[in-house]
Amino acid sequence: NAGVTQTPKFQVLKTGQSMTLQCAQDMNHEYMSWYRQDPGMGLRLIHYSVGAGITDQGEVPNGYNVSRSTTEDFPLRLLSAAPSQTSVYFCASRKGLAGNEQFFGPGTRLTVL
Amino acid sequence: KQEVTQIPAALSVPEGENLVLNCSFTDSAIYNLQWFRQDPGKGLTSLLLIQSSQREQTSGRLNASLDKSSGRSTLYIAASQPGDSATYLCAVDYGQNFVFGPGTRLSVLP
Repeated sequence: NAGVTQTPKFQVLKTGQSMTLQCAQDMNHEYMSWYRQDPGMGLRLIHYSVGAGITDQGEVPNGYNVSRSTTEDFPLRLLSAAPSQTSVYFCASRKGLAGNEQFFGPGTRLTVL
Repeated sequence: KQEVTQIPAALSVPEGENLVLNCSFTDSAIYNLQWFRQDPGKGLTSLLLIQSSQREQTSGRLNASLDKSSGRSTLYIAASQPGDSATYLCAVDYGQNFVFGPGTRLSVLP
């Protein structure tokens, strides 16, 4: 199993550009989520999904869109990037809706100029 | 609001010491608590998972305890080594919401 994979590893954008961060898992996990990690702020939940076709907002959803068309994939879209979105983004997945170990991808380091 | 705090924020110890990292959470209605390790510029590695019904979990030199009623967990590292240097994060599972603490940055000096 590859576990949780994320692409790209690094990305530089200009303000106003759009992009999609990809996340995939091959463990047939129902729950997937996106976090951002900023110095001094810890990891904060952006969006999560409890299954294909079902998504919901986390603590810091503004400026980000998600969709879940398959169990395996959970892309995160930035429609109009802003410097405040400079961060490290982590995708995670786990079996079931609660109570199980969460597995993390390697992260995407995004810089918005 | 569900909040998780960790004390200390940073810790520097000589090699061989036993040490304790602390995690506190405000809402005790948890499913489980997970301890992670993060090396600089890297992702998160899961160390231990304690279910809400458990009191402790052990893996090698690591032992994590959980006192749900008081909203506390501790991570005990025995006989610390320079390779243990990293940031340690605790995360509390509230079901659809998974809340992280800010981390403890550990340096083990040879």
